[in-house]
Amino acid sequence: GIQVEQSPPDLILQEGANSTLRCNFSDSVNNLQWFHQNPWGQLINLFYIPSGTKQNGRLSATTVATERYSLLYISSSQTTDSGVYFCAVERSPMNTGFQKLVFGTGTRLLVSP
Amino acid sequence: DVKVTQSSRYLVKRTGEKVFLECVQDMDHENMFWYRQDPGLGLRLIYFSYDVKMKEKGDIPEGYSVSREKKERFSLILESASTNQTSMYLCASGQGGSGANVLTFGAGSRLTVL
Repeated sequence: GIQVEQSPPDLILQEGANSTLRCNFSDSVNNLQWFHQNPWGQLINLFYIPSGTKQNGRLSATTVATERYSLLYISSSQTTDSGVYFCAVERSPMNTGFQKLVFGTGTRLLVSP
Repeated sequence: DVKVTQSSRYLVKRTGEKVFLECVQDMDHENMFWYRQDPGLGLRLIYFSYDVKMKEKGDIPEGYSVSREKKERFSLILESASTNQTSMYLCASGQGGSGANVLTFGAGSRLTVL
């Protein structure tokens, strides 16, 4: 199956710093999503971004599908950004049928005041 | 906003008990999913359903079954709970076919099996 690798596994930032999280995947994809899991376990969908660039406030994401990676940028980080960030991908189907989202193991971010 | 509601936030059960985890979504989504999350292993798909009464095995279906009698409700059943099923269980729903399925998650159910 498709492999999804996220880096770095852990990241500690001072409040106000910027960061870049990376997601590499091993096959062509037609679906890529970024999620944030807060310290209470709730997963929030940040971006649906199979290709191109999107921005939402201090967060932005870029997916370069031809080179099989996606980047999540966090600018001016805040303590509420702490948690785990997951990338999830769906492999481009070889034939008809339902493909599954496969999750990476995440990047754990701690933003200190 | 789409809401995915999981019936229990925390459960403690004994080995051998039958466990029901309920999930309800309120946006008429076709697709529903059950994942489990364990430290170091990320999220792993247990079962999913893309229509009422339809179900498909995910990557780790052993020891679990599911039921989808109504479009809005997807239940995960542990017929005989075991200690290795202690985990965080996450339900999600989504709309759309291949490439377009954007997931919304519930708050999770943390199950401890003693």
